[in-house]
Amino acid sequence: SAVISQKPSRDICQRGTSLTIQCQVDSQVTMMFWYRQQPGQSLTLIATANQGSEATYESGFVIDKFPISRPNLTFSTLTVSNMSPEDSSIYLCSTKGPQNNEQFFGPGTRLTVL
Amino acid sequence: QKEVEQDPGPLSVPEGAIVSLNCTYSNSAFQYFMWYRQYSRKGPELLMYTYSSGNKEDGRFTAQVDKSSKYISLFIRDSQPSDSATYLCAIQGGSEKLVFGKGTKLTVNP
Repeated sequence: SAVISQKPSRDICQRGTSLTIQCQVDSQVTMMFWYRQQPGQSLTLIATANQGSEATYESGFVIDKFPISRPNLTFSTLTVSNMSPEDSSIYLCSTKGPQNNEQFFGPGTRLTVL
Repeated sequence: QKEVEQDPGPLSVPEGAIVSLNCTYSNSAFQYFMWYRQYSRKGPELLMYTYSSGNKEDGRFTAQVDKSSKYISLFIRDSQPSDSATYLCAIQGGSEKLVFGKGTKLTVNP
């Protein structure tokens, strides 16, 4: 499976500010995914990011709030914009493995918004 | 009805016990079934992946899928304290999207 790293591992931010989370994969991958894991809730897909095209957002998530970049086949960023305490969560990036339907996850970014 | 239902537990068992973790799902179009293990403050780790009804075994872990009942299970034999984690079921249909259960927190006591 690919090795996935994320930066930062955690952060505490003030409301109204923005945070950009980086995801780096050790091999080239076509699809990268961003998930949110809120306390007591299921892992929820935010968007799918393919290199060279606009990210595809799931219902309830919009580009203005969660802009995503995918500049190459090994890297992606997710920005959480104009944060509120409701954005406190773990944010995870994910990629598909060599087997067609396996998905692997990074270690996550733990965000607290005050 | 939620797409995937999973009892959040917590579940506490003695070392050596057989553990049964379960999920139900509502959409018969789901084709692929996965179990992830997530240690505290870590990302989910893929444990088992299957796409057909029946059993798949990997060491002490057995994944079971019953498509007719829309029911999936993960069995852990001879459970160890190192198995203490949250276990997430995930199900996938024709798209790339994974739909997760809320996770079951398991503690194996020495």
